Amino acid sequence: DIVMTQTPLSSPVTLGQPASISCRSSQSLVHSDGNTYLSWLHQRPGQPPRLLIYKISNRFSGVPDRFSGSGAGTDFTLKISRVEAEDVGVYYCMQATQFPFTFGPGTKVDIK
Amino acid sequence: QVQLVESGGGVVQPGGSLRLSCAASGFTFSTHGMHWVRQAPGKGLEWVAFIRRDGSMTYYGDAVKGRFTISRDNSKNTVYMEMNSLRAEDTAVYYCAKRMTSGGDGEIDYWGQGALVIVSS
Repeated sequence: DIVMTQTPLSSPVTLGQPASISCRSSQSLVHSDGNTYLSWLHQRPGQPPRLLIYKISNRFSGVPDRFSGSGAGTDFTLKISRVEAEDVGVYYCMQATQFPFTFGPGTKVDIK
Repeated sequence: QVQLVESGGGVVQPGGSLRLSCAASGFTFSTHGMHWVRQAPGKGLEWVAFIRRDGSMTYYGDAVKGRFTISRDNSKNTVYMEMNSLRAEDTAVYYCAKRMTSGGDGEIDYWGQGALVIVSS
């Protein structure tokens, strides 16, 4: 199974300041079809996860442009250009290149 | 808009069985694979199972293989999860989730609100 790791696991941020989360996979996430199925999810307390970014860097419908994704192969990053109050919660990276799909442990983002 | 509504959760004794359902709407159900993902209380996300759009192939996580069965009824726009030999460690919120693409492989785009399953005597 592909193991996903994230750093940091906790990130206190200041409103209006940038934030960054790293995700690393134990093996390349490049699929045989040439795509890299690495996505980022956001989960607020008591809510289901919500897709933010898919295939490394594509923002999902309705996701603000302050969210961006980058990376390749085994190393990926989610950046929030200016954190807003609604961005608090837990962020997960997820690989969908190979079954079983696997998730990172999550990064808890809260306001300082 | 896409809606996924889970039902069938509840409290069950260890060794018991339960069947979850997920009613889908707002998209062409028969053209999308479907997943179940679970989240134990206070923990992270764990992928459980996947079924192809036509039901021809299924995949399972090691923790549930041989005990859980995913199935679907495209005439009812519903996906199911039959859970047998339940253990305390199966206690979790179970989310139904939709594959983004209608063909090939790809990520999950929409999630249901979840159904809570508690395994306890």
